[in-house]
Amino acid sequence: DVKVTQSSRYLVKRTGEKVFLECVQDMDHENMFWYRQDPGLGLRLIYFSYDVKMKEKGDIPEGYSVSREKKERFSLILESASTNQTSMYLCASSLNPLGGYTFGSGTRLTVV
Amino acid sequence: AQTVTQSQPEMSVQEAETVTLSCTYDTSESNYYLFWYKQPPSRQMILVIRQEAYKQQNATENRFSVNFQKAAKSFSLKISDSQLGDTAMYFCAFMKHNGNQFYFGTGTSLTVIP
Repeated sequence: DVKVTQSSRYLVKRTGEKVFLECVQDMDHENMFWYRQDPGLGLRLIYFSYDVKMKEKGDIPEGYSVSREKKERFSLILESASTNQTSMYLCASSLNPLGGYTFGSGTRLTVV
Repeated sequence: AQTVTQSQPEMSVQEAETVTLSCTYDTSESNYYLFWYKQPPSRQMILVIRQEAYKQQNATENRFSVNFQKAAKSFSLKISDSQLGDTAMYFCAFMKHNGNQFYFGTGTSLTVIP
């Protein structure tokens, strides 16, 4: 089975800190995604990548950046964390999106 | 733009009963795919079922089936013989035929009552 691993399950950071959320998949998938999940808003796409060093903005990229130096790793970066970035962050990967994504277990980030 | 609407934020069902979760969507595409994902308390999102818009036959996966009404842009999920392990948040999702990105609804929290 494909595994998508997010490095932290819970994270607490201070306002203004630079935050790195790491995601690693073990099945050579080209496509990787970062979503944030908020109650009443569902999942919203932040960024995605379809190849190493490639990235595309999703629906809510403001305040975020990403890095994909290796195929298996896709990092989400909060340049200067703010309280409105307190959320659940979900990473996903896919070989063929029509087959569905494989999701990680999420990182619940709290910015204080 | 694509939008996906789940109008039932919360639902409950007795164990062994049947429940239907609603989903409507808006798109100008003629070819697309629809999905239901389940997110249990463990937070791991799991694909439940998928439907290709060009197929008239409704998809089924064991106790899970869909009622796909293309003209009405409706895609409901029916869970038969509900089990305690079905307790989860359920998300409806849309993808264009040549797309890469899912558009998710806001979710329905389902509780199965023993």
